[in-house]
Amino acid sequence: TQLLEQSPQFLSIQEGENLTVYCNSSSVFSSLQWYRQEPGEGPVLLVTVVTGGEVKKLKRLTFQFGDARKDSSLHITAAQPGDTGLYLCAGFMDSNYQLIWGAGTKLIIKP
Amino acid sequence: NAGVTQTPKFRILKIGQSMTLQCAQDMNHNYMYWYRQDPGMGLKLIYYSVGAGITDKGEVPNGYNVSRSTTEDFPLRLELAAPSQTSVYFCASSFTPYEQYFGPGTRLTVT
Repeated sequence: TQLLEQSPQFLSIQEGENLTVYCNSSSVFSSLQWYRQEPGEGPVLLVTVVTGGEVKKLKRLTFQFGDARKDSSLHITAAQPGDTGLYLCAGFMDSNYQLIWGAGTKLIIKP
Repeated sequence: NAGVTQTPKFRILKIGQSMTLQCAQDMNHNYMYWYRQDPGMGLKLIYYSVGAGITDKGEVPNGYNVSRSTTEDFPLRLELAAPSQTSVYFCASSFTPYEQYFGPGTRLTVT
C-alpha cells in the first residue's frame, strides 16, 4: 500500500507566526502537489514540484521537494487568517494515473 | 469558463434509493475523477477516466458506477444507497494526470 503521511494533522496558531507542514512517504514520486481546501469547497491546486530538492515560493508560502522525491514540506511565513484551511499533499507516480493523497493538515490561524 | 460543475449541491437519499451525481467540465480535459471525502479525512478515489469511453476503478468503487460517453461529462451512479455512502463527493478533471481541478462538491446524506 502506498501511503503519504502528513503531519501535523491539526495546527492552530496566532497570526504572524511561522509554521511548517510535512508530507512523507517511503515511495518515490515523479511529482508532488499541494492543494488548499476551504470549508464547503473543493481543493484548489497551489503548486506542483517535480525535481528532487526543488523549492518553489508562492508569496509567503515556500514548498520544498525532498532530494529523494519521497517527501515534501510547506512553510508559511507570518501566517494570516486567510491561510486557514485544509492543506492536502498528493504524490504522482508514472506507473498509474492516480494521485496518492495525504489525509490533510487542518490549519487555523487566529487573529 | 465554468471549470468543473457538479449537480446537485445537496441531496438526502433513503436507504435503497438510487441517484446519479452529475459532473461536467468545459476545459477539454481527458482525465476525470470521482472522489469521496469523509469528515476530517482526505480524498478517496472511486473511479477515474483517461478519456471518453474509458473508465477504471479506484480505491473504493463498490456501490458505484460510472460512464464516460463524452469528453465533457462523467456521471457517477449510486445504486441501492447505504448509510456508508454518506459523504461529500468531488469530481475533478485534468490535462495531465496530476494537476487536478475540482468541482464544488455534492453533499450526500443517506438515512
